[in-house]
Amino acid sequence: GAGVSQSPRYKVAKRGQDVALRCDPISGHVSLFWYQQALGQGPEFLTYFQNEAQLDKSGLPSDRFFAERPEGSVSTLKIQRTQQEDSAVYLCASSTLAGGTNEQFFGPGTRLTVL
Amino acid sequence: DQQVKQNSPSLSVQEGRISILNCDYTNSMFDYFLWYKKYPAEGPTFLISISSIKDKNEDGRFTVFLNKSAKHLSLHIVPSQPGDSAVYFCAAYSGGGADGLTFGKGTHLIIQP
Repeated sequence: GAGVSQSPRYKVAKRGQDVALRCDPISGHVSLFWYQQALGQGPEFLTYFQNEAQLDKSGLPSDRFFAERPEGSVSTLKIQRTQQEDSAVYLCASSTLAGGTNEQFFGPGTRLTVL
Repeated sequence: DQQVKQNSPSLSVQEGRISILNCDYTNSMFDYFLWYKKYPAEGPTFLISISSIKDKNEDGRFTVFLNKSAKHLSLHIVPSQPGDSAVYFCAAYSGGGADGLTFGKGTHLIIQP
């Protein structure tokens, strides 16, 4: 596909359950970003990868959140022991070059609902 | 602490008229600004950007103005078209800060026929 894809599109989890969200960036894109968008808010930065290296994880809200991009392409955001406040849309974005000034192409997001 | 503020949750404009969306920021370290457009159930798509060394950038019907002294930027769309109805996010980036973008809460633009 031409764009960024994310799966699943929708995820319902019971409180305390672990979830894994997948992002397939545009092929060849060096940079990959994860954002969290709560209802009625703008996206909030979580973490940034340049190829396989996680260069910035300053936005991860707690140590229950973990992201990886082992081969520098597909990335997974894992949330352990989910809480109701984790309910949000999780957006993945990729860009051709390193750094935040390059255009970021966003996926459609995964809507996570924690009951 | 909201570093990027979009104070109008919604804006209604008649088709053919000018739409002006406003954005204010508080962090003087921001040096690059972007506007994204979002349709329901889709991810945001990039519209236009401006570096802090400029005060205007134009691309077709879209123009972004930056007033650094006022820490204010605006997006002008002229003429407005029905397909412009969407949520518009203002975003900012600081080369010396976190690697991701800082977004405002968005403004829902509605173009009336």
